[in-house]
Amino acid sequence: GAVVSQHPSRVICKSGTSVKIECRSLDFQATTMFWYRQFPKQSLMLMATSNEGSKATYEQGVEKDKFLINHASLTLSTLTVTSAHPEDSSFYICSATRANQPQHFGDGTRLSIL
Amino acid sequence: AQSVTQLDSQVPVFEEAPVELRCNYSSSVSVYLFWYVQYPNQGLQLLLKYLSGSTLVKGINGFEAEFNKSQTSFHLRKPSVHISDTAEYFCAVSDLGTGTASKLTFGTGTRLQVTL
Repeated sequence: GAVVSQHPSRVICKSGTSVKIECRSLDFQATTMFWYRQFPKQSLMLMATSNEGSKATYEQGVEKDKFLINHASLTLSTLTVTSAHPEDSSFYICSATRANQPQHFGDGTRLSIL
Repeated sequence: AQSVTQLDSQVPVFEEAPVELRCNYSSSVSVYLFWYVQYPNQGLQLLLKYLSGSTLVKGINGFEAEFNKSQTSFHLRKPSVHISDTAEYFCAVSDLGTGTASKLTFGTGTRLQVTL
């Protein structure tokens, strides 16, 4: 099946640091990538939808200046958490897809802000 | 707008017993339906999907689900579970009108705990 690679798998950093998370589709060209946030023992909450070559569409309540998304190619999207604070600590998951295909998920990134 | 309800937050079951994880959805339009499994500290893996056609859908790892339009349900079943099936299971829907590349709406998840 389709493979989506997410890196890093875990990151621990100090408050105020900016953190970049990469999402790569390894064996197909993803026209759309999604970014989710998951709190412990909860479901996935969609943060934004990213289409290659265009600006991301953010869900209501998600700060676009806080969570910068870039989808520069059909195989790579990045999420940058700017000036991260402890409340940004969470599990972030990306998915990749193209027309008429189900979403394929990365293994997630555990972000811990001290 | 769509919504998904997974009534059971946790389902304990003994190994080799059958299991059913319930999912009901609400939508004003036709939808695609999915079940995903999440193992600890990992992303989601697609178990099965219903797009059209036969209402009984077979997926990976021996799971199957049945789409019931009149009851707006898409319950997941397995006739005999294994310890390795212990995981979190998510039901999800997407808007049929925008194709499967559209965003998913997830249920709150059901924790399947299989014990000896």
